[in-house]
Formats: sequence, C-alpha cells, structure tokens
Amino acid sequence: NAGVTQTPKFQVLKTGQSMTLQCAQDMNHNSMYWYRQDPGMGLRLIYYSASEGTTDKGEVPNGYNVSRLNKREFSLRLESAAPSQTSVYFCASRQFGETQYFGPGTRLLVL
Amino acid sequence: EDQVTQSPEALRLQEGESSSLNCSYTVSGLRGLFWYRQDPGKGPEFLFTLYSAGEEKEKERLKATLTKKESFLHITAPKPEDSATYLCAVQAAGGNAGGTSYGKLTFGQGTILTVHP
Repeated sequence: NAGVTQTPKFQVLKTGQSMTLQCAQDMNHNSMYWYRQDPGMGLRLIYYSASEGTTDKGEVPNGYNVSRLNKREFSLRLESAAPSQTSVYFCASRQFGETQYFGPGTRLLVL
Repeated sequence: EDQVTQSPEALRLQEGESSSLNCSYTVSGLRGLFWYRQDPGKGPEFLFTLYSAGEEKEKERLKATLTKKESFLHITAPKPEDSATYLCAVQAAGGNAGGTSYGKLTFGQGTILTVHP
C-alpha cells in the first residue's frame, strides 16, 4: 500500500496563476482532508470530505476549492494564487472513527 | 473554540537524557487526543491516540499520558533518531452530520525535539 500520495512535491507559481494539487489514497478510507502548514501556525484545515460526494469548509477555505473525484481522490484548486498561499499543503485520509493518515506534502511557493 | 498549546516550543536533550513534552487543551468534549511525529520535509506520522483521562500508551522510548486538561509525551533515554517535531491534536466530540463524523482535528504548534549524541 502506498497510503496517501500527493502530487506535485514542489511547485512555484506566479501571483494570479492557477493550479490543482492532487491527492489519492489506497486505504479505502471514507474521509479526506486538506491542511496547510505555516511556521508558527500549526496545521490548519482548509477543506474536508466526510464521504464520497460531500465536501465542507474548514478553518481557512478562502481562495481554495476542492473536488472529491471519487472515493480515492481529493483535489485542491487554487484559482488565482496569492503570495499568502505560500505554504506546505498536506492531504490526509481517515476511516470512520479512526486515525488520520497524512501524505508527504506539497511545497508551494507563490511569487 | 477548541485550542491546543504545546510546550516547550523547542527542546534540546543529550542522548539518554529523559524528558517530557506537554500538550494542554481545551475542547468541548474530547473524542480523542492524537500524537504525531513529523520529520523535516515529511508528512506527520501517527504515534498514539488517547481517549480518556488516565489512559497511557507506549511505543519504544515514547509514552503518552492523558489527563482532563493535558497530555504528556514522555521520552525515556532518547536517541538522536528521536529528533523530530512532535505534534499534538484533539478531536472534539460531535461534528456529526447525517450520522457521519468528519473527524476534524485541531493541532498545536508542535515541539521541536533535538537529541544530541
């Protein structure tokens, strides 16, 4: 099992460009999550999908959209990137009532 | 609002020097408290889940304990390979929608542990 995989590993964008961060899990988990991690701020929830077909906002959803493509895949889209979105992005997945498992992260730099 | 505070922010130990990391929390009903380890450039790696006050869990040199207000991660005779950032997170009870718990975690800022040989 690969667990949770994320692509790309690293990306540089210019302000105003768009991009999609991809996440996939092979653990047959129902719930999936997107977090961002910034120095001194800890991990903060952007969006989550409790189950296939549903998505909801977390703490810091502004500037992002998500798509739960199927049970395995959950993507995060930045429509018009801003320097404030420079961060490390982590995807996680969870089976009901159990622990969240994290992917390796995508490092995003917005110039 | 759920809050998690970890202390100290950074801890430097000599190999073999035991110590503890603290995680203080306020939550409207605790469903679970989680400890993760994060190595530089990697994603958080799950260590423990604690569900109720008085519960303890151990893994190698690590032991996690839980009270009604805080959790401790005790590190006994640490080795350099224990160097990492240790993250604490809480999941509040509730958050159900249509019978589905979304499992939202609130994280602390982490403790950076450095163990010198």
